[in-house]
Amino acid sequence: ETGVTQTPRHLVMGMTNKKSLKCEQHLGHNAMYWYKQSAKKPLELMFVYNFKEQTENNSVPSRFSPECPNSSHLFLHLHTLQPEDSALYLCASSPDLGYNEQFFGPGTRLTVL
Amino acid sequence: KNQVEQSPQSLIILEGKNCTLQCNYTVSPFSNLRWYKQDTGRGPVSLTIMTFSENTKSNGRYTATLDADTKQSSLHITASQLSDSASYICVVNPMDSSYKLIFGSGTRLLVRP
Repeated sequence: ETGVTQTPRHLVMGMTNKKSLKCEQHLGHNAMYWYKQSAKKPLELMFVYNFKEQTENNSVPSRFSPECPNSSHLFLHLHTLQPEDSALYLCASSPDLGYNEQFFGPGTRLTVL
Repeated sequence: KNQVEQSPQSLIILEGKNCTLQCNYTVSPFSNLRWYKQDTGRGPVSLTIMTFSENTKSNGRYTATLDADTKQSSLHITASQLSDSASYICVVNPMDSSYKLIFGSGTRLLVRP
């Protein structure tokens, strides 16, 4: 596998469920990002990790919990979500936190019922 | 407030025709301006990256221009193909934040046979 991969690609969950999104990058990068993309709205940065350390939490509700066990893997743990959390969740990576290109995964389409 | 505005919101053209997408931004100063292509249900893929001192950058049939004085950028697509149907997102990288990108809402392009 090359680039940035995300699983699952689609997820439907109820408001009381707990689920996790997984992201893996095969580019040797040290920075990883979670973005939320809602219909017709700009991408919103959620979390940033650099060398496994969280450097940014963009006022994200606590029902979203990120985890970065190493520089290649990033998780987003979800619990007690709301219908308005339905969106495309994109993972990205870059060599570091400099002015680098960010490489995006294909995203997970999340629907909260 | 840093903003990136794109126009039109959507566009329909016939295969083989040219088109130009617009991006106006208020981000200043900025390090670079990027254009991404996002196929439906996929993550954004970089088309061009221009530093603040560049005026134009090409990638095959895609040509981006930048006018830092008027704070405008455009993406010109030549001899459109059905595979060009996608959303095109203008992204500005502020000088004061190397990884906090400012995204536009995108222009949705549909190329019809």
